[in-house]
Amino acid sequence: DTAVSQTPKYLVTQMGNDKSIKCEQNLGHDTMYWYKQDSKKFLKIMFSYNNKELIINETVPNRFSPKSPDKAHLNLHINSLELGDSAVYFCASSTPSASGRVAQFFGPGTRLTVL
Amino acid sequence: AQTVTQSQPEMSVQEAETVTLSCTYDTSESNYYLFWYKQPPSRQMILVIRQEAYKQQNATENRFSVNFQKAAKSFSLKISDSQLGDTAMYFCAFMKRPFGNEKLTFGTGTRLTIIP
Repeated sequence: DTAVSQTPKYLVTQMGNDKSIKCEQNLGHDTMYWYKQDSKKFLKIMFSYNNKELIINETVPNRFSPKSPDKAHLNLHINSLELGDSAVYFCASSTPSASGRVAQFFGPGTRLTVL
Repeated sequence: AQTVTQSQPEMSVQEAETVTLSCTYDTSESNYYLFWYKQPPSRQMILVIRQEAYKQQNATENRFSVNFQKAAKSFSLKISDSQLGDTAMYFCAFMKRPFGNEKLTFGTGTRLTIIP
């Protein structure tokens, strides 16, 4: 029973292409996130959505566009891929604060390589 | 803005020994959560332990425990009886209110190697 799943796990593409990464969670959480982990392993927030509404957008280029069709799904579309977009992208979802046991649960990550 | 600092880029320890990973943070918030996440070579991010700032008692999860010093803004992770499976990157992370919607701010990580 996968809690947070992402597809694909690996993505190799040419510069200039457009690609999407999909994320689904079956935990019933309202809030979902995209994080980027660079080549030095540093993790940084990109976006968050709460019940399909954009909450956080952290100075990410306009080429990156998240879409949340429902609260269980958060997809990431990237236009005109650049070499610097090569990274691991993690989707996560968050328990509500009322749960008393706050945490974010991560998907397996998508390793994007731009050639 | 919050910052999280992990000053030990790499550590290694013999199997069965105890190791402590350090983390300091900077914030003007009075209530927040702190976390340790583990990232093994499989790259999966795994929650190890969490601590809410208003709780004075240090969190423990089996062989993992924290030393939370709120005034010093320090949050170290102790791993007792270390095992080969503990080999991983360990990230300290901070979350401020509102907890259900807020982002995690991560440190730069500590690469821990358990030596057989």
